[in-house]
Amino acid sequence: ETGVTQSPTHLIKTRGQQVTLRCSSQSGHNTVSWYQQALGQGPQFIFQYYREEENGRGNFPPRFSGLQFPNYSSELNVNALELDDSALYLCASRTGGNYGYTFGSGTRLTVV
Amino acid sequence: AQKITQTQPGMFVQEKEAVTLDCTYDTSDPSYGLFWYKQPSSGEMIFLIYQGSYDQQNATEGRYSLNFQKARKSANLVISASQLGDSAMYFCAMLLGGIGKSTFGDGTTLTVKP
Repeated sequence: ETGVTQSPTHLIKTRGQQVTLRCSSQSGHNTVSWYQQALGQGPQFIFQYYREEENGRGNFPPRFSGLQFPNYSSELNVNALELDDSALYLCASRTGGNYGYTFGSGTRLTVV
Repeated sequence: AQKITQTQPGMFVQEKEAVTLDCTYDTSDPSYGLFWYKQPSSGEMIFLIYQGSYDQQNATEGRYSLNFQKARKSANLVISASQLGDSAMYFCAMLLGGIGKSTFGDGTTLTVKP
């Protein structure tokens, strides 16, 4: 098992730009979720993918979009960045059942 | 709407003592799972324990146990024999059975004193 790997670890972008965050799921995990965690708060669910299909979405605007690839790796894309998008973005994968998510260490995005 | 409430922003416990972190939840869905995660200052979320809504017995994982009271909609985490390494932020979360959406609370910061 290699765990969940996210890249990059830190990123600084300018308001209005677009960003792509990447996640490599733990081996054998076919479900991946993305979360946004603002400083001092709990993670907020963005969306989840199961076998390349989105099967759940939180209260985030359409400029937050994602992809899951056949090898179960995933991307989070954010268009037209706003200052409030500054946060820690966490990727998590799981196999289902009574197992919790395995989280990556996150990507710290700062929008200036 | 689904909601997780953690009413203790911060907790202190003496090393080797037990501590209970509170969590209440709200959902009308009969099928759900409840999770606890630990987030050290490094930022990575670490899965601790899971309780399914249909499970009859409280979950236990080593020093962690989950006090599940379905009628009260509470899922408190009990850490026995606290260690200095337990100092971290703890999050309670709920995953609905039929939907891929998870809801997290705002967390409790636990500090273990030597």
